[in-house]
Amino acid sequence: KAGVTQTPRYLIKTRGQQVTLSCSPISGHRSVSWYQQTPGQGLQFLFEYFSETQRNKGNFPGRFSGRQFSNSRSEMNVSTLELGDSALYLCASSSRGEGRGDTQYFGPGTRLTVL
Amino acid sequence: AQSVSQHNHHVILSEAASLELGCNYSYGGTVNLFWYVQYPGQHLQLLLKYFSGDPLVKGIKGFEAEFIKSKFSFNLRKPSVQWSDTAEYFCAVKGTGGFKTIFGAGTRLFVKA
Repeated sequence: KAGVTQTPRYLIKTRGQQVTLSCSPISGHRSVSWYQQTPGQGLQFLFEYFSETQRNKGNFPGRFSGRQFSNSRSEMNVSTLELGDSALYLCASSSRGEGRGDTQYFGPGTRLTVL
Repeated sequence: AQSVSQHNHHVILSEAASLELGCNYSYGGTVNLFWYVQYPGQHLQLLLKYFSGDPLVKGIKGFEAEFIKSKFSFNLRKPSVQWSDTAEYFCAVKGTGGFKTIFGAGTRLFVKA
């Protein structure tokens, strides 16, 4: 099976712009989670989607949003970018997102740099 | 609320030394426990996982971890590290009824050749 794919791999934006990142989960996986990884904060949970519904959300401002499509592909959007949004954004997929035995598999991430 | 604490942020070892990375978590219910590894320039990979049963779990590349429920701990061990084990290691916890995985801050391991 192909792994989790994320596009683009690298992005450079300026403050105030918005950005959309894409994630394709492993075939058959219906749960997609997004994380922000920074050197100082580690991996911070953004949100999780299952069957096009957001089931859980982390402590990020409303500028961070996401959605999931019927084919389980997911996008996250960050509006009005700030310098502090520079990070590696990771997507992870799992079969159902809950229950004993559910395991997340991570994509390579999108490196976002905000200038 | 869930939380995960990794005791060491940076560890430096010589090749063939033994490794133990500490991980403690806080959660009131049944958990799934994970260790992930991120090699330089690569993405997060699953090293091992514990769901139930034998509290000593074995993962890839000779790593193992022991779940001690009474101590809320899931420490990672390897008897003899190699230079290629240089990486960042993350402990993660997920409640079986929840949708959110909480990660520790990570431990950067550097193995001297």
